[in-house]
Amino acid sequence: ILNVEQSPQSLHVQEGDSTNFTCSFPSSNFYALHWYRWETAKSPEALFVMTLNGDEKKKGRISATLNTKEGYSYLYIKGSQPEDSATYLCAFTGGGSNYKLTFGKGTLLTVNP
Amino acid sequence: DSGVTQTPKHLITATGQRVTLRCSPRSGDLSVYWYQQSLDQGLQFLIHYYNGEERAKGNILERFSAQQFPDLHSELNLSSLELGDSALYFCASSVAPGQGETQYFGPGTRLLVL
Repeated sequence: ILNVEQSPQSLHVQEGDSTNFTCSFPSSNFYALHWYRWETAKSPEALFVMTLNGDEKKKGRISATLNTKEGYSYLYIKGSQPEDSATYLCAFTGGGSNYKLTFGKGTLLTVNP
Repeated sequence: DSGVTQTPKHLITATGQRVTLRCSPRSGDLSVYWYQQSLDQGLQFLIHYYNGEERAKGNILERFSAQQFPDLHSELNLSSLELGDSALYFCASSVAPGQGETQYFGPGTRLLVL
């Protein structure tokens, strides 16, 4: 059974704060780590896919890093805005012919104006 | 808008009934994946189709089945429904199977079984 754990479960920050969340995943048989942003009543929106140890990806104020040897990824948001409020999901895919995403339960971010 | 469409958006039905959820992938995508989001659970993988063929199965109940048609749209059939089947059902699509391929999610179908 693959376990993908995300912490914290929820987070409240003030507008302008920078924040980060953690995703931990199995370090063996790793192939890719995905981050999604999920706003209520919308579909999960793909942010990043990372496959190489040490990968860093950036999209505007959001960035992510990957450590496959120890099995974790960080998502950073710089200068949080109220529109960043959402659930941030990470998902793991392992090597082999099964291409499913195994999701964590997400981190719910609320940014207060 | 991811380009993946799902119908219906909401579905209310009774226990014992059968429903069909429909998904149209993004233009050009050959892979379709189905996921279930139940209360307090993360998104759970159900099944994956590629170009009309089943490629992988996850925690999909025997009462559930799916298919992908020649025009690449997919349907998820849920039968003998139980209260516990109430959930949000997503489909996602990608260009091809691949662990590094981004899966683009549709808006979901919210199923309520009464």
